[in-house]
Amino acid sequence: AQSVTQLDSHVSVSEGTPVLLRCNYSSSYSPSLFWYVQHPNKGLQLLLKYTSAATLVKGINGFEAEFKKSETSFHLTKPSAHMSDAAEYFCVRMDSNYQLIWGAGTKLIIKP
Amino acid sequence: NAGVTQTPKFRVLKTGQSMTLLCAQDMNHEYMYWYRQDPGMGLRLIHYSVGEGTTAKGEVPDGYNVSRLKKQNFLLGLESAAPSQTSVYFCASSAKTATQPQHFGDGTRLSIL
Repeated sequence: AQSVTQLDSHVSVSEGTPVLLRCNYSSSYSPSLFWYVQHPNKGLQLLLKYTSAATLVKGINGFEAEFKKSETSFHLTKPSAHMSDAAEYFCVRMDSNYQLIWGAGTKLIIKP
Repeated sequence: NAGVTQTPKFRVLKTGQSMTLLCAQDMNHEYMYWYRQDPGMGLRLIHYSVGEGTTAKGEVPDGYNVSRLKKQNFLLGLESAAPSQTSVYFCASSAKTATQPQHFGDGTRLSIL
């Protein structure tokens, strides 16, 4: 079955340190992949998307993600965390019917 | 820029009551979706629509109905609310291509007592 696995339910980092949110997907082909962010009591905002162009994708707010087919991974990174990055992050893939398959989410906690 | 607008934002219902959630988008998108979000889980697709007058079932359609009478509106109905339908509901829309992202509303928090 096609799925998305976010390896950590919570990640805690200090402000100014790097962020790594891990995501693995299962697919028999190279899918379209997305990262969305959800701030508390808000809707979902697209951070970035991968659609089989460059494997390193840059998004908004300094985030980027690298598509690694050999590892079936699409991890999200940011060099230096900011307090405003505290939110829940969702890794999402598009299936063959153009529907979205969602990971369970990773809560990012930023320590001052 | 309105984008995707959901009404109401909050609602409390008693078991067995009915209600309709409204989603409106002003981006001329073909595709619209209704999801529910529950703690510890990603979003789950309830129903979706690929165009005016068409709807289809998603992953968790039972207990819900939808209608897409106008391109800009997508209605989600609960005919007889149950406590298991307590959730946050999100509407989304997207253009008619495989690679375009979905745009989300701010959600409706629904509690069924």
